[in-house]
Amino acid sequence: ETGVTQSPTHLIKTRGQQVTLRCSSQSGHNTVSWYQQALGQGPQFIFQYYREEENGRGNFPPRFSGLQFPNYSSELNVNALELDDSALYLCASSLEPNIQYFGAGTRLSVL
Amino acid sequence: AQKVTQAQTEISVVEKEDVTLDCVYETRDTTYYLFWYKQPPSGELVFLIRRNSFDEQNEISGRYSWNFQKSTSSFNFTITASQVVDSAVYFCALRAAGNKLTFGGGTRVLVKP
Repeated sequence: ETGVTQSPTHLIKTRGQQVTLRCSSQSGHNTVSWYQQALGQGPQFIFQYYREEENGRGNFPPRFSGLQFPNYSSELNVNALELDDSALYLCASSLEPNIQYFGAGTRLSVL
Repeated sequence: AQKVTQAQTEISVVEKEDVTLDCVYETRDTTYYLFWYKQPPSGELVFLIRRNSFDEQNEISGRYSWNFQKSTSSFNFTITASQVVDSAVYFCALRAAGNKLTFGGGTRVLVKP
């Protein structure tokens, strides 16, 4: 148990819709990172938030956006969903610059 | 640019055999960290080990050991006396400048009873 929880566990959306994924960080962790993991591949970095500010971004379009709240929980929002957005979305929390601890992920299917 | 390569896509062993997972990384940074994570079917990435670029001492932790060689940019990981519960996908990851983890493609380990 890492203490990082994600919701929902599974989600089905249709192309063009918008989705919000949620992450509750491990207690005391001030940094949250989001990753996208396509089937059979390694996770790809989307972005990171540190104390409510974006602190690094991977090669993802602006329709991927996020928020971190004062309690360090976080949201990942994806607009105008595309079929290729189907993946496991992983959230990781850390007390920078230390180890990132991952949640079990949200599996998103876009039809 | 940072890159992590795990050449082995799948390894199948019989219980109690040793398993060695290969990892080769690329970075121009002199300060970096290397990690191994395990991903069981449940999907959660489980942290196993971390090594920083200034410490090439190889260690053993229970049934896990690792071999870090900067000269060849390799960070290999060994599971000794494998068990069925070790069946999972194992990822090598690199953290250099910036805060992101760069993952390899993963190696699926299947331990048969």
